[in-house]
Amino acid sequence: GENVEQHPSTLSVQEGDSAVIKCTYSDSASNYFPWYKQELGKGPQLIIDIRSNVGEKKDQRIAVTLNKTAKHFSLHITETQPEDSAVYFCAASLNAGNMLTFGGGTRLMVKP
Amino acid sequence: ETGVTQSPTHLIKTRGQQVTLRCSSQSGHNTVSWYQQALGQGPQFIFQYYREEENGRGNFPPRFSGLQFPNYSSELNVNALELDDSALYLCASSVPDGQETQYFGPGTRLLVL
Repeated sequence: GENVEQHPSTLSVQEGDSAVIKCTYSDSASNYFPWYKQELGKGPQLIIDIRSNVGEKKDQRIAVTLNKTAKHFSLHITETQPEDSAVYFCAASLNAGNMLTFGGGTRLMVKP
Repeated sequence: ETGVTQSPTHLIKTRGQQVTLRCSSQSGHNTVSWYQQALGQGPQFIFQYYREEENGRGNFPPRFSGLQFPNYSSELNVNALELDDSALYLCASSVPDGQETQYFGPGTRLLVL
């Protein structure tokens, strides 16, 4: 089955700096790669996703890149703000509606 | 707001007991998935229901079972609770619009003593 590894497990940045979180996956059949943000006491919130037919996707300060050959994808957050502090999870699946396999999570702390 | 609600928010049970968790999603969201999230870990897929039928199952024993109802609500039942069942239980629903993005509810935190 699919296995997703996520690094780093914790990341501390100064407000205004960029943050990068990386994930690798094992199943070359995976085609859908979402990123979720989870705040304390809440469920995961989808922040961006990418499908295998594109290599990069941007939404304001957030971007995701995908390298299907190397089987890795990354989340980039620019101009970080204190409200970006949360746990971020990457995931992979065959299609968006199928079971998601999650990475272990990255705790991002943005210091004001 | 994802439009996905879960009840109860918190629950305490003892070993051996049975528990039912509930999930309600928006009209049209005919696919619901359940995930277990242990403390400090990513969510793990339990099973998925589509049009009231089980449509995929993760590596969980049969004492984890579910139901989906015509009104788009769903239940997760766990029998013979074990201490390791203590976790946040999340449901996620999606609409068959070609994107099928999964939107998560806030979860039910279960503590088994």
